[in-house]
Amino acid sequence: AQTVTQSQPEMSVQEAETVTLSCTYDTSENNYYLFWYKQPPSRQMILVIRQEAYKQQNATENRFSVNFQKAAKSFSLKISDSQLGDTAMYFCAFISLYGGSQGNLIFGKGTKLSVKP
Amino acid sequence: EPEVTQTPSHQVTQMGQEVILRCVPISNHLYFYWYRQILGQKVEFLVSFYNNEISEKSEIFDDQFSVERPDGSNFTLKIRSTKLEDSAMYFCASSNNEQFFGPGTRLTVL
Repeated sequence: AQTVTQSQPEMSVQEAETVTLSCTYDTSENNYYLFWYKQPPSRQMILVIRQEAYKQQNATENRFSVNFQKAAKSFSLKISDSQLGDTAMYFCAFISLYGGSQGNLIFGKGTKLSVKP
Repeated sequence: EPEVTQTPSHQVTQMGQEVILRCVPISNHLYFYWYRQILGQKVEFLVSFYNNEISEKSEIFDDQFSVERPDGSNFTLKIRSTKLEDSAMYFCASSNNEQFFGPGTRLTVL
């Protein structure tokens, strides 16, 4: 069974600084996607960034980038130039592509990020 | 931009009552999901639905739960006899490739 582990329950960062959130996962499959979701106090789940396992290049979305280490099964999220609006829970998630893209997402327990002014 | 919608945003019910949570997925999506998040915990998969039938369900999704796509538009989650531990946020998602989440329904069971 696949598992997703986020070892940092809480983190804080000063506004404009850079922070990295850790995520590791366990799977025997070779074809999958990884995601980072942001959940602000409104509790809406917002997709931040996605990485296809077959791509060696790390995904980037503006101030958000990932460090995907497939052999180590590691998928960290780097937030550059942190903003107050980045304060939220961040969930790492995994989806297997075995059997197509209709698999369910498996989430980590989340990291609560606080950006301080 | 198309989005997944959910109603109601907050539902309060008495233990033992039936509740129906409603979702309108993105119109051209084929795969539908329900997830649950108990306060302070991680998001957990409940059930996936494709081609008018359940494609996968978790051990959480017991006989108290059912899903339906009654009219080709709505996608509903019914909890037959609610328990205190059913109190949670319930998220609907739809997908053709990437899953898009609705804003969630907060269910409070008293």
